[in-house]
Amino acid sequence: DAKTTQPPSMDCAEGRAANLPCNHSTISGNEYVYWYRQIHSQGPQYIIHGLKNNETNEMASLIITEDRKSSTLILPHATLRDTAVYYCIVRVGDTGNQFYFGTGTSLTVIP
Amino acid sequence: DSGVTQTPKHLITATGQRVTLRCSPRSGDLSVYWYQQSLDQGLQFLIQYYNGEERAKGNILERFSAQQFPDLHSELNLSSLELGDSALYFCASSVDAGMNKETQYFGPGTRLLVL
Repeated sequence: DAKTTQPPSMDCAEGRAANLPCNHSTISGNEYVYWYRQIHSQGPQYIIHGLKNNETNEMASLIITEDRKSSTLILPHATLRDTAVYYCIVRVGDTGNQFYFGTGTSLTVIP
Repeated sequence: DSGVTQTPKHLITATGQRVTLRCSPRSGDLSVYWYQQSLDQGLQFLIQYYNGEERAKGNILERFSAQQFPDLHSELNLSSLELGDSALYFCASSVDAGMNKETQYFGPGTRLLVL
């Protein structure tokens, strides 16, 4: 019951912007899009979330298309420490708040 | 540091045994979630508790059970362990007080190895 689709891997040069795409064509009108990342086997780290407006915080920017069927996470100046698996998540289930993580995008930042 | 704590960090046990994993949520968070991450299955949701009550169930085996105590900490019990139960087990917590309060914060995980 995959609700998101992401490319399996991407490379980015250090200091450049990393743009990670995600398709979520079945998203409901009131569902948020969340982005997390996991470095090695550490616990997933929250990055950002949004509903329909673009969002920015100290870590990243989130661009959501007008039809809300896709989004892009932007790391403005990637560093080697940004190498991780990035997950785009839409909440699943009619009750509760469980996340479906999918396979994510493995981002490698190259020196 | 997410504010979510999990103990133990590592656990090595034998097949057929029973173990208990413990999670303390962030201060003020009422929901606790358990996830399993194995090499071939990725991160999978197991179960959610909200303020002591089970809220949602995912792909949790009947050999596994969980509970959330009055002080809001949670325990995940794994019994009759099999080799395939070897995995990272993550706990997460959230305020869970409305649509904009569902951000989950994850603990560092417990690495379970069943021999």
